[in-house]
Amino acid sequence: AQSVTQLDSQVPVFEEAPVELRCNYSSSVSVYLFWYVQYPNQGLQLLLKYLSGSTLVKGINGFEAEFNKSQTSFHLRKPSVHISDTAEYFCAVIQNTGFQKLVFGTGTRLLVSP
Amino acid sequence: NAGVTQTPKFQVLKTGQSMTLQCAQDMNHEYMSWYRQDPGMGLRLIHYSVGAGITDQGEVPNGYNVSRSTTEDFPLRLLSAAPSQTSVYFCASSYGRSYEQYFGPGTRLTVT
Repeated sequence: AQSVTQLDSQVPVFEEAPVELRCNYSSSVSVYLFWYVQYPNQGLQLLLKYLSGSTLVKGINGFEAEFNKSQTSFHLRKPSVHISDTAEYFCAVIQNTGFQKLVFGTGTRLLVSP
Repeated sequence: NAGVTQTPKFQVLKTGQSMTLQCAQDMNHEYMSWYRQDPGMGLRLIHYSVGAGITDQGEVPNGYNVSRSTTEDFPLRLLSAAPSQTSVYFCASSYGRSYEQYFGPGTRLTVT
């Protein structure tokens, strides 16, 4: 069975500063990796996904993530954050076989202040 | 397209009551899932369906039932509500090899 660890429950950052949200996973088989964002009182929205190919994945709103197989990591980065990026971010994995059973991390709350 | 819709948005139940959370999607997706979200625990899969007439259990299925009679609808039934089922419930759908799950806006349930 796979699992996902998000090491930081909360990350405070000033507007226009860079940010990295960390995600590590464990799995005995190959996986696909995702980052979802949840704005207050809303559902989840896909930011980006890694299925195959280039290990650097670009998503919406200027976010990107890098798949590192040797370190089993999929960290999310943005070079300059905005107040509107304040939200909760979830890393998730799916085994690349069978049903699309997403396994989520516990989430990281990004707090952007002026 | 409305995407994934969920009703109600809020619900308060007394212990022992039953109710059904509704979920519908208009994207003709074959896969549908129910998750619950609890503080500090992320989202956990309750039940899922890979097509009409086919359902299976996820990580936390106890106390919940599902059925899928049509491609569009995937209701979640609480048989006898307990305070431990106080949570935010999300329905999601997806298709084929896209692996992207589309989430509804959620139902906030409180059991007293």
